[in-house]
Amino acid sequence: RKEVEQDPGPFNVPEGATVAFNCTYSNSASQSFFWYRQDCRKEPKLLMSVYSSGNEDGRFTAQLNRASQYISLLIRDSKLSDSATYLCVVTPSSGSARQLTFGSGTQLTVLP
Amino acid sequence: NAGVTQTPKFRVLKTGQSMTLLCAQDMNHEYMYWYRQDPGMGLRLIHYSVGEGTTAKGEVPDGYNVSRLKKQNFLLGLESAAPSQTSVYFCASSYQHTGAGANVLTFGAGSRLTVL
Repeated sequence: RKEVEQDPGPFNVPEGATVAFNCTYSNSASQSFFWYRQDCRKEPKLLMSVYSSGNEDGRFTAQLNRASQYISLLIRDSKLSDSATYLCVVTPSSGSARQLTFGSGTQLTVLP
Repeated sequence: NAGVTQTPKFRVLKTGQSMTLLCAQDMNHEYMYWYRQDPGMGLRLIHYSVGEGTTAKGEVPDGYNVSRLKKQNFLLGLESAAPSQTSVYFCASSYQHTGAGANVLTFGAGSRLTVL
């Protein structure tokens, strides 16, 4: 079983739709969680951290469910510019960068 | 504000050839990393460095060597390229190796390597 698993998609949604992705992780010792965004043939960029209490950044909401060992990303009012691959990233309690584990990504296409 | 710059962006090699990928960052970051990204797999850490003159193995180090002679540069070498090393290579840097800043990686634009 992969340490971090994501539905690869693709998720094709119309502009203005709400879409959600989940990411499951196998290591119960994981403590820090993140979403990175990667545009086609570009480098990944940090989108947001995921806090225990859940957090929101504009149209984006990230949540953590420790009991079921998954994190989620909700995008409201989708824009064409949201089309990208979303990478889930987890790390154990030590928080060392070398221990970041990346998911393979979920591809989102927002259609006009 | 160049950030992290990788060269070359594309390269085609024949099996057995050698090459070096160069990563340069102008953010004065101590920590630098080399990842590879393959279809259907997450980014995997090849080697990393916590400072000038120091390097360490990551998850998939075999077939690669690295050097960090200057703080701003991190080189990734393939001594004898194999088709299994066909991949997209990303360099990244961070201002912390542990703690909150460790998770804020700044990536280069990537280097696409094909080994025939």
